[in-house]
Amino acid sequence: KQEVTQIPAALSVPEGENLVLNCSFTDSAIYNLQWFRQDPGKGLTSLLLIQSSQREQTSGRLNASLDKSSGRSTLYIAASQPGDSATYLCAVEGNEKLTFGTGTRLTIIP
Amino acid sequence: NAGVTQTPKFRVLKTGQSMTLLCAQDMNHEYMYWYRQDPGMGLRLIHYSVGEGTTAKGEVPDGYNVSRLKKQNFLLGLESAAPSQTSVYFCASSYRSAGGPNEQFFGPGTRLTVL
Repeated sequence: KQEVTQIPAALSVPEGENLVLNCSFTDSAIYNLQWFRQDPGKGLTSLLLIQSSQREQTSGRLNASLDKSSGRSTLYIAASQPGDSATYLCAVEGNEKLTFGTGTRLTIIP
Repeated sequence: NAGVTQTPKFRVLKTGQSMTLLCAQDMNHEYMYWYRQDPGMGLRLIHYSVGEGTTAKGEVPDGYNVSRLKKQNFLLGLESAAPSQTSVYFCASSYRSAGGPNEQFFGPGTRLTVL
């Protein structure tokens, strides 16, 4: 059974810093990995999707990498802003279904 | 283009009552999903559908039923609500092409409390 872990559960950093969020998974037989953002009381917003054949994807200040063989993905956020404060979830797809991590709650301190 | 919408946004039920949650998408997606989100547990898949008229069980299907009579709608039913079903429910949809990515798009959620 696929298990997805995100450590740490919470992270606080000063505004302007670059930061990395981590995601690890136990079964490397995945089709893709997706990073989401969730604001309090809201739904999930898709940030980046990396297909299994890709190593990274970039969107603006966000860069996500994927290392299938080691079962790891990272989400890099450059020049963090207070508006980046949210919970970040990663999810891996296998057999038409997503398995989610429990997320990292990120707080950017002005 | 509204994306994925969910009705209602909030609901309070008494134990044993029944209700139906409605999910609608206007993106012509084939796949639709129902998840529940509980503190410390992450999102867990309840049921999903790979096309009109099809449904399949996910990780936590007990106590729920679903129907996909129209491509754009996916209904989640609770026949006899229990306090353990207190949760936030999310619907999602995706377009799946052969060999292509399965990017899922989520609705805003329904917060359900069972007393």
